[in-house]
Amino acid sequence: DAGVIQSPRHEVTEMGQEVTLRCKPISGHDYLFWYRQTMMRGLELLIYFNNNVPIDDSGMPEDRFSAKMPNASFSTLKIQPSEPRDSAVYFCASSDRGRGGNQPQHFGDGTRLSIL
Amino acid sequence: SQELEQSPQSLIVQEGKNLTINCTSSKTLYGLYWYKQKYGEGLIFLMMLQKGGEEKSHEKITAKLDEKKQQSSLHITASQPSHAGIYLCGAGSARQLTFGSGTQLTVLP
Repeated sequence: DAGVIQSPRHEVTEMGQEVTLRCKPISGHDYLFWYRQTMMRGLELLIYFNNNVPIDDSGMPEDRFSAKMPNASFSTLKIQPSEPRDSAVYFCASSDRGRGGNQPQHFGDGTRLSIL
Repeated sequence: SQELEQSPQSLIVQEGKNLTINCTSSKTLYGLYWYKQKYGEGLIFLMMLQKGGEEKSHEKITAKLDEKKQQSSLHITASQPSHAGIYLCGAGSARQLTFGSGTQLTVLP
């Protein structure tokens, strides 16, 4: 089975540009998560969706960040305008509710974002 | 909020040696997840522990949950170069995971 698919794998862009990261969750999973990983702060949850609805976006750092999930098989994380401090690896993960609601999250390979 | 502290931060062992990584929580552990990450790749799920005293094994990796100590340990027996990577523990509900800062493991051939 295909895992979580993220694109692009690498993105280098100049400050002020709009950046869009994409994610395709595992088919049948009803939860989708966006994380950011940096050396200083480790792995941080930005936002998560359940059945395409955003449930908790308290980790989104600023209004420059937005995330959407128009359908069960696609999500985007957008940064506009981008800043050098947004440079990080962004991960998407998905899970299903399963029995007891404690199924593990499965991660994509991430997008390494560099803002110059 | 829940905080997880992993120890050691980094570990270098000779191939064939055993090793243990610890994950200590600031709050009661209700669910503990272990992941492995290789540089430039995503996190790979290893094991999930849900009950105090629970112990799970996969190949040469064993994880235990001591809820009284609010701690989990990951033990690798007879380490191999393929075990190298960053090991992260995550805790909380499956929807709200907090991760430790990771333990970088190097296995020398």
